[in-house]
Amino acid sequence: DGGITQSPKYLFRKEGQNVTLSCEQNLNHDAMYWYRQDPGQGLRLIYYSQIVNDFQKGDIAEGYSVSREKKESFPLTVTSAQKNPTAFYLCASTPGGGSGANVLTFGAGSRLTVL
Amino acid sequence: GQQLNQSPQSMFIQEGEDVSMNCTSSSIFNTWLWYKQDPGEGPVLLIALYKAGELTSNGRLTAQFGITRKDSFLNISASIPSDVGIYFCAGRNTGNQFYFGTGTSLTVIP
Repeated sequence: DGGITQSPKYLFRKEGQNVTLSCEQNLNHDAMYWYRQDPGQGLRLIYYSQIVNDFQKGDIAEGYSVSREKKESFPLTVTSAQKNPTAFYLCASTPGGGSGANVLTFGAGSRLTVL
Repeated sequence: GQQLNQSPQSMFIQEGEDVSMNCTSSSIFNTWLWYKQDPGEGPVLLIALYKAGELTSNGRLTAQFGITRKDSFLNISASIPSDVGIYFCAGRNTGNQFYFGTGTSLTVIP
């Protein structure tokens, strides 16, 4: 079945360490997104990519980095510069290209806890 | 970034009751989406709306795209225990940007 796979599901990190969250999709979608979810808040956009080898900052990009070397992969690195990284991270994708049928398909999420 | 106004924030209802929640925006959207999220999981799409005034059903769920294109509502009829979860609205603008409500937490009491 097509979908989005995020890994790991749970991750613990010590302060000062960088960690990378994986996101892989087999939907042949062009656009991919990373969102951060905190209790009681809506999803906030970290980074997005409309096409391979191109990505843009979202609303809360500071302390995060991404790459888009392959269409199906969009890993997110949470760097030590991110002041409050403990959160639930969601990866999503859309077909892209301005299609009127664009809806976001989400992965199952990764929960990062900084000790 | 913009966040949508979603209400109510939480609901506690008896099994069998109907539920209604809504989202409003200060901006126009060309797509409204409704998602359900279980604890520790990603949101799952329930209903997608593409035209102002559109009314769409998915089983016991019904959603409408407001005619002003700035609001949407979701109704759940005859609630059951598995309806428990957090429901999110999302709007998509012409720039293919998505904005989200803060969620409605639904608890169904058997």
